[in-house]
Amino acid sequence: EAGVVQSPRYKIIEKKQPVAFWCNPISGHNTLYWYLQNLGQGPELLIRYENEEAVDDSQLPKDRFSAERLKGVDSTLKIQPAELGDSAVYLCASSSGGSSGELFFGEGSRLTVL
Amino acid sequence: AQRVTQPEKLLSVFKGAPVELKCNYSYSGSPELFWYVQYSRQRLQLLLRHISRESIKGFTADLNKGETSFHLKKPFAQEEDSAMYYCALRRGGSTLGRLYFGRGTQLTVWP
Repeated sequence: EAGVVQSPRYKIIEKKQPVAFWCNPISGHNTLYWYLQNLGQGPELLIRYENEEAVDDSQLPKDRFSAERLKGVDSTLKIQPAELGDSAVYLCASSSGGSSGELFFGEGSRLTVL
Repeated sequence: AQRVTQPEKLLSVFKGAPVELKCNYSYSGSPELFWYVQYSRQRLQLLLRHISRESIKGFTADLNKGETSFHLKKPFAQEEDSAMYYCALRRGGSTLGRLYFGRGTQLTVWP
């Protein structure tokens, strides 16, 4: 199984440009997470989905960030317009719940804003 | 509020030596604690969780509620243990809730 798939792996853009990241979770995982990882820091949650519903988006900067998971499977995270401080790794993870609650992470999308 | 602290950004030991990666947390309720690991060029993955109380790849971690710690230990480090280790906390009673991560400790095991 491929695991959580993210694209693109790397993206370089100029400030004020838009950017979008895509995530395909593990089949059957209803819970999907987007985490932000700044250099030298641990991941921080941006948004969590249960199927197509965003159940925890308190840390998502809604003035420039948006996310969707229309059919409860794939998800897209968008930044518009990007700022220099958005340079980071954007991680997607999914979980099937159950007693373990283990998160399965993708390889991440590394964004560089010039 | 909850917080996870990993005081060591870098940790180096020689092969065969014991290793301990420190993790302290602050949370008023009953937390679930985890260790996630990221090997070079690989994705972040679960190493172990305190509820399972098992040893994975020779690593163990005991939740000490009195000291609010969840240190990761291995008696004899191996070169393949070199990786980035993240301690993480989840609020108790929420299997799918967010994880709060520490900043990570980069472990290097020298031959």
